[in-house]
Amino acid sequence: AQSVAQPEDQVNVAEGNPLTVKCTYSVSGNPYLFWYVQYPNRGLQFLLKYITGDNLVKGSYGFEAEFNKSQTSFHLKKPSALVSDSALYFCAVRDTRSGGYQKVTFGIGTKLQVIP
Amino acid sequence: GAGVSQSPSNKVTEKGKDVELRCDPISGHTALYWYRQSLGQGLEFLIYFQGNSAPDKSGLPSDRFSAERTGGSVSTLTIQRTQQEDSAVYLCASSLGTGGRTDTQYFGPGTRLTVL
Repeated sequence: AQSVAQPEDQVNVAEGNPLTVKCTYSVSGNPYLFWYVQYPNRGLQFLLKYITGDNLVKGSYGFEAEFNKSQTSFHLKKPSALVSDSALYFCAVRDTRSGGYQKVTFGIGTKLQVIP
Repeated sequence: GAGVSQSPSNKVTEKGKDVELRCDPISGHTALYWYRQSLGQGLEFLIYFQGNSAPDKSGLPSDRFSAERTGGSVSTLTIQRTQQEDSAVYLCASSLGTGGRTDTQYFGPGTRLTVL
């Protein structure tokens, strides 16, 4: 079975500082990995996705994530945090093994608080 | 273009009543998903539709929950005899397809269901 772990319930970072939101995963085959952001009272918005190729994936709003196969991680990063980045961030994984549709499994989310 | 829309945005009902939640996916998207998001929980997969294939109902928590998708477009999630534990935000998402480059899910704003 596939799973996603977001070990931090909340991450606090000062505005202008770099931020990291951690994610580790477990799948039987190779993974597709996603990051989504959820602002208050809104649905989830897609940030970025890893399929294959370059391990560093760049996404919306200046975010990027690095796929690390040996550590089974896909941490979300941004060089300089903005107050407007404060939101709930979800990591998700899908197994790419053959055999039809594979569900996407979401983590429980990490609340990012950027302090002015 | 228009994103995924859901209605109503908020629904308050009494225990034991039936409710219907509606989702309009992005035009041309063949796959549609329903999730439930409870306070402090991640996204719980409920059901998935892909084209004319039989839906994946493996996430429905009980037989009080059902969903249909008419004409490959609009979907309705029905909860019969609602219980207080059904209170949550119900999120709908759609994707262009289910392949690696088409399975990115785009979410609606959600319906907040409160069962009194």
